[in-house]
Amino acid sequence: DAGVIQSPRHEVTEMGQEVTLRCKPISGHDYLFWYRQTMMRGLELLIYFNNNVPIDDSGMPEDRFSAKMPNASFSTLKIQPSEPRDSAVYFCASSDVAREEVSPPQHFGDGTRLSIL
Amino acid sequence: DAKTTQPTSMDCAEGRAANLPCNHSTISGNEYVYWYRQIHSQGPQYIIHGLKNNETNEMASLIITEDRKSSTLILPHATLRDTAVYYCIVRVASKWGAQKLVFGQGTRLTINP
Repeated sequence: DAGVIQSPRHEVTEMGQEVTLRCKPISGHDYLFWYRQTMMRGLELLIYFNNNVPIDDSGMPEDRFSAKMPNASFSTLKIQPSEPRDSAVYFCASSDVAREEVSPPQHFGDGTRLSIL
Repeated sequence: DAKTTQPTSMDCAEGRAANLPCNHSTISGNEYVYWYRQIHSQGPQYIIHGLKNNETNEMASLIITEDRKSSTLILPHATLRDTAVYYCIVRVASKWGAQKLVFGQGTRLTINP
């Protein structure tokens, strides 16, 4: 299995620009999670989906952030307009609840390192 | 979910066993103990999890005290590649409705040559 795939790995853009981060979960997984990691706040959950439906978006910092999951194999996290304080590493993770007793609760991608200038 | 307490940092010599402690004194009966680690610039990597019994896999061993208020992750023969931040997380299984993994600050383990 290819694991959770995120793109791009690195993104540098100017303040005010729209940023789109992409995630392909592991095939067959029914949950998808978006996290953000900064030195100050550590690893924090932004939003998660179950069967493509957003379940809990209480961690989304503000209206500039939005996430979608149009199908089981693709999700996006969008920031518009971007600000320097959005600079962080963004991780996507997926899980298969039915197999959790015998496999990791969440599998993580290698993240997107976002820098807003 | 129960709160966990871990030392901020630890050092271990290469080839020796690394023992990482975690306190979770408020753990509930149906909460599991999960361990993840994060190597620099990579996503968190699952290591092991357990409920009551000690567990072992190809990466590590997990020792849970009888009262379940604390646990220890053991890397039996640490290598330089084990240098990472190790997270101890306590949570009920997803079948009981919990989905979130709440990451604390973890323990920064440094393996020295």
